[in-house]
Amino acid sequence: QQPVQSPQAVILREGEDAVINCSSSKALYSVHWYRQKHGEAPIFLMILLKGGEQKGHDKISASFNEKKQQSSLYLTASQLSYSGTYFCGTEGVQGAQKLVFGQGTRLTINP
Amino acid sequence: GAGVSQTPSNKVTEKGKYVELRCDPISGHTALYWYRQSLGQGPEFLIYFQGTGAADDSGLPNDRFFAVRPEGSVSTLKIQRTERGDSAVYLCASSRSPSYEQYFGPGTRLTVT
Repeated sequence: QQPVQSPQAVILREGEDAVINCSSSKALYSVHWYRQKHGEAPIFLMILLKGGEQKGHDKISASFNEKKQQSSLYLTASQLSYSGTYFCGTEGVQGAQKLVFGQGTRLTINP
Repeated sequence: GAGVSQTPSNKVTEKGKYVELRCDPISGHTALYWYRQSLGQGPEFLIYFQGTGAADDSGLPNDRFFAVRPEGSVSTLKIQRTERGDSAVYLCASSRSPSYEQYFGPGTRLTVT
């Protein structure tokens, strides 16, 4: 079952904040976040394991609510380099290995 | 170190032809994944290798698709009797261990005419 991401697209000015959500109808073991720029490979951002942890580095952080089967990615004081399409990939069971990706959220940062 | 590499970067083939796509994972990564990405969509899982064996091939769309990883490193995705619907970017990813972060290659853009 493909996770649902929201919003589908967002346009910000440099310095503004953004939140991208990822929801699943199934129980999740882990959530992986990636950013992909046009014509390039997806770049790994972070992985969250069940347990409701929150992670972050620099101005990008994420949370994982195991009970709600949801994860959110937080982009603070966005930079032009944050532009791209963000995907969440979910792993339903520990050891399942394969990731099921959402449809993506296109983020555009304008000067 | 070097990242995941894929060759060719672009492949144009005629309907009905056979193609091979190659993936060279990060050295030492035991897990290797193939995904397919259509325009405007997220990557779609095809197959996962742990070492030399295909641990999960549930994403392969039909028996025209096959993948191998004979020595536990380089992998080849093989598509027989290609169809126009096979056109997509085929992505390979590797990770040092299952359930760890996956690092993607640049992909092979396959166009079936």
